[in-house]
Amino acid sequence: AQTVTQSQPEMSVQEAETVTLSCTYDTSENNYYLFWYKQPPSRQMILVIRQEAYKQQNATENRFSVNFQKAAKSFSLKISDSQLGDTAMYFCAFQGGNNAGNMLTFGGGTRLMVKP
Amino acid sequence: EAGVAQSPRYKIIEKRQSVAFWCNPISGHATLYWYQQILGQGPKLLIQFQNNGVVDDSQLPKDRFSAERLKGVDSTLKIQPAKLEDSAVYLCASSSGLGNTIYFGEGSWLTVV
Repeated sequence: AQTVTQSQPEMSVQEAETVTLSCTYDTSENNYYLFWYKQPPSRQMILVIRQEAYKQQNATENRFSVNFQKAAKSFSLKISDSQLGDTAMYFCAFQGGNNAGNMLTFGGGTRLMVKP
Repeated sequence: EAGVAQSPRYKIIEKRQSVAFWCNPISGHATLYWYQQILGQGPKLLIQFQNNGVVDDSQLPKDRFSAERLKGVDSTLKIQPAKLEDSAVYLCASSSGLGNTIYFGEGSWLTVV
């Protein structure tokens, strides 16, 4: 079974600065997908960024980028130019690519607070 | 494009009562998921449907939880009888296929008192 670990329960950053959220995972699969989701207080999960394991290039979406280290099974999220609206819970998630049960396995989350 | 719809948004019930949550996925999405998210934790999969068939229900407490997706479109999750530890947000999500984005609804908040 896959596991996802987020070792930082809480993080804070000053507005306009850069912050990195950590995520590690454990799997025996070679083909899979990784995601970062944002969850504001409304509780709706919003996709931030996704990465296919077979792609070596790190995914980027505007101010959000990842550092994907496949050998180390690490998938960190970097938020540049942090904004107050980035304050939320952030969840790292794994999706296997080799079986029919393509569910998402989530980490425990990191609460990010952006301070003015 | 309409998103994943869930209802009710909020529900408060007494222990041992029953409750049902409804989900309508994004049109055309064959895969539907129900997740349970207890406060302070990440979501945990309860059940996954592919069309109207169950793909994974290994973490569904079958003595009290049931779910169906009879026509392969919308789905209902039922809890009977409810326990205090069932207090959580129940998230419905849908996807058009493996590796594609999984979209979530706004969730149904359940408080069992």
